[in-house]
Amino acid sequence: EAGVVQSPRYKIIEKKQPVAFWCNPISGHNTLYWYLQNLGQGPELLIRYENEEAVDDSQLPKDRFSAERLKGVDSTLKIQPAELGDSAVYLCASSLGPRREAFFGQGTRLTVV
Amino acid sequence: RKEVEQDPGPFNVPEGATVAFNCTYSNSASQSFFWYRQDCRKEPKLLMSVYSSGNEDGRFTAQLNRASQYISLLIRDSKLSDSATYLCVVTRTGNQFYFGTGTSLTVIP
Repeated sequence: EAGVVQSPRYKIIEKKQPVAFWCNPISGHNTLYWYLQNLGQGPELLIRYENEEAVDDSQLPKDRFSAERLKGVDSTLKIQPAELGDSAVYLCASSLGPRREAFFGQGTRLTVV
Repeated sequence: RKEVEQDPGPFNVPEGATVAFNCTYSNSASQSFFWYRQDCRKEPKLLMSVYSSGNEDGRFTAQLNRASQYISLLIRDSKLSDSATYLCVVTRTGNQFYFGTGTSLTVIP
């Protein structure tokens, strides 16, 4: 069975430019997460979806970040405009349901220059 | 106070040693507990779930102490391939996952 798929793997952009990340969760997983991970830190939740509904986006910087999960499957995370401090690894994860383990994609490593 | 706290290490141990990591969580309503492993520049992967009665998987033993709100991971007979960062994870109602900062382990030949 295919795991969580993310693209691109790496992205380098200039500050103030927009960027988008894509995630395809494991088939049948209703819960989808976007996490941000800085070097030496654990993943920090940006947004969580249950099907197509964003149920926890309290940590998402809404002035520049947006996300969508149309049809409750694939999801995109967008940053516009990007800032130097946004350089990090953006991880997508999915799970079957409440209290079940989350499976992660390989992440997108963003560098803003 | 952070939801989950871990000693970041690093832990440097010789091959064959036994090493233990602890993790504390702040919210008594936490419901599920996991240990994830993350290799350098890779994504976190589930190592094992942690059950109230404690559980073992080969050389790995996980324990939960709800009264003291801590979780432990014991690795026996350490292998070079155990070198990684170990992340403690707790969940509350509604699929909220909280990660610790991770504990770095290096097993030395």
